[in-house]
Amino acid sequence: RKEVEQDPGPFNVPEGATVAFNCTYSNSASQSFFWYRQDCRKEPKLLMSVYSSGNEDGRFTAQLNRASQYISLLIRDSKLSDSATYLCVVNAMDTGRRALTFGSGTRLQVQP
Amino acid sequence: GAGVSQTPSNKVTEKGKYVELRCDPISGHTALYWYRQSLGQGPEFLIYFQGTGAADDSGLPNDRFFAVRPEGSVSTLKIQRTERGDSAVYLCASRVGGANVLTFGAGSRLTVL
Repeated sequence: RKEVEQDPGPFNVPEGATVAFNCTYSNSASQSFFWYRQDCRKEPKLLMSVYSSGNEDGRFTAQLNRASQYISLLIRDSKLSDSATYLCVVNAMDTGRRALTFGSGTRLQVQP
Repeated sequence: GAGVSQTPSNKVTEKGKYVELRCDPISGHTALYWYRQSLGQGPEFLIYFQGTGAADDSGLPNDRFFAVRPEGSVSTLKIQRTERGDSAVYLCASRVGGANVLTFGAGSRLTVL
């Protein structure tokens, strides 16, 4: 089983739609959680950290459910510029590794 | 520098050749990471440096892969006897201090013919 699992999509949604992605992680000792965004043929860039209490940044809301070991990302009022791959990222400190583990990504295509 | 710089941006080589990929992290970032990304996959961890030493090299796939960071800044990923399966984008990232957020370079796209 992969450490971080995501639905690869693609999610094809019209402009203005609300879309949600989920991600599950296998290591219950995971401590830090993030969503990164990756445009086609570009490097991943941090979109937002995910906190236990949930957090919001403009049109983006991230939630963490430790009991079920999943993370979600909600995008409201989708824009064409939101089209990208969204990577779920986890850091499990118990391994002693300070590296982040990435999911395979969920592709979003926002259509006019 | 202002960002993480990686060279070359593209490298085409023949099977069996030796390749070096270079990463120049953000100034002051003590931690440096190498990841590999294949088409349709997320970045896969290779090796992590804290200063000059490799703190975790558990992601290196085999002994053909080696990385150094002799002065705690620039790092070089070295691949010996390249194979077609080594074709991927090699991403370098750095972070400052105890923060968990990584800043990535644009990557080096390696194609082994």
